[in-house]
Amino acid sequence: QVQLVQSGSELKKPGASVKVSCKASGYTFTDYAMNWVRQAPGQGLEWMGWINTKTGNPTYAQDFTGQFVFSLDTSVSTAYLQISSLKAEDTAVYYCARDRSRFSYWGQGTLVTVSS
Amino acid sequence: QSALTQPASVSGSPGQSITISCTGTSSDIGGYNYVSWYQQHPGKAPKLIIFDVNKRPSGVSNRFSGSKSDNTASLTISGLQAEDEADYYCSSYTTSGTLIFGGGTKLTVL
Repeated sequence: QVQLVQSGSELKKPGASVKVSCKASGYTFTDYAMNWVRQAPGQGLEWMGWINTKTGNPTYAQDFTGQFVFSLDTSVSTAYLQISSLKAEDTAVYYCARDRSRFSYWGQGTLVTVSS
Repeated sequence: QSALTQPASVSGSPGQSITISCTGTSSDIGGYNYVSWYQQHPGKAPKLIIFDVNKRPSGVSNRFSGSKSDNTASLTISGLQAEDEADYYCSSYTTSGTLIFGGGTKLTVL
């Protein structure tokens, strides 16, 4: 069965970086795009962008440029989200989600907390 | 690009039907039939319940249905049950090749 398993919660200080992983199983990794979605505490879902798992080409939503980097390691069917120069307002749950126009499969979410 | 517009909250009694609206523009909802709806219970990942405006994934109850008219999509839940109490989000593919979510609607089952 399809599974997306994300790395565990992170506690980071302002200015630090974090890398969240999303390991896929149960399907051919390069057959489907991978998206990243942010959910701040008590807030709604925000689409951050997606990465083409065949080419590695990322597309970032307008509000998620510069600080955010999507990457892949296809040898281990894993997508990564790296966030640099962390600020308190980056505190959120980050989800990976498979496919382009509809997200049938989601990771369990990774809570990133930014606090001094 | 601003989020799609959803009511902040809706409520209904068990057995009743409710409808949640999701309003966008001709660049998103009006431009494609790629509207999806997600149900999210507290502390859980979202779950896809409707895709391509009105299709249900396997295993999703037929009490959930979707529709679209011009730039507005709608999710209807019939025969409300206590377990339907959750947050609901719409999303749409856009003409820019991006995706946009609605602000979310909290459904309370009275």
